[in-house]
Amino acid sequence: DTAVSQTPKYLVTQMGNDKSIKCEQNLGHDTMYWYKQDSKKFLKIMFSYNNKELIINETVPNRFSPKSPDKAHLNLHINSLELGDSAVYFCASRTKGGGAQYFGPGTRLLVL
Amino acid sequence: AQRVTQPEKLLSVFKGAPVELKCNYSYSGSPELFWYVQYSRQRLQLLLRHISRESIKGFTADLNKGETSFHLKKPFAQEEDSAMYYCALSGGMKTSYDKVIFGPGTSLSVIP
Repeated sequence: DTAVSQTPKYLVTQMGNDKSIKCEQNLGHDTMYWYKQDSKKFLKIMFSYNNKELIINETVPNRFSPKSPDKAHLNLHINSLELGDSAVYFCASRTKGGGAQYFGPGTRLLVL
Repeated sequence: AQRVTQPEKLLSVFKGAPVELKCNYSYSGSPELFWYVQYSRQRLQLLLRHISRESIKGFTADLNKGETSFHLKKPFAQEEDSAMYYCALSGGMKTSYDKVIFGPGTSLSVIP
């Protein structure tokens, strides 16, 4: 029944490790997004995919690599994790005609 | 350039008092404006869209194109309104892959 889901919910890892976060939406939306919410609650867009095609890439370090196997899924892989990557990562989706975004529950990443 | 500003980082009001969360934007065309709410440690949820002109949980927001503002108002604040509120703007292409720009957010605290 969940519209936008993310796994895992929490991720604690050491600096230098590689990790992935998965996102799935069952709303039939064409566009999916990744946002980073920092400790000051500022929400910054990272990537946007439209029907598996990368549309927006907001000067994110190339250690971050999104992958969209189909339009219902958008995964985020992060290489060589750094302390500054600690944040909450939100996935979102949106329908073709614009309108509101639907957000996932977030993944809390802590890099030690 | 698209930009959303929310001048108040923190706003405290007493229960039953009126509340207004300010949002100003800059955009050269006809944007679509939204308010999202994030309760503690939860996902962002849509509160209002300017085109729907609804009242949700007692909140209303009017788009003022002359002042480029989309302030959120509620006549009587409730304790359960305590949350983070984000104003967001989407461009005029009216497609799902329009970039959505979020303001920095205002943390509302309703004092019992």
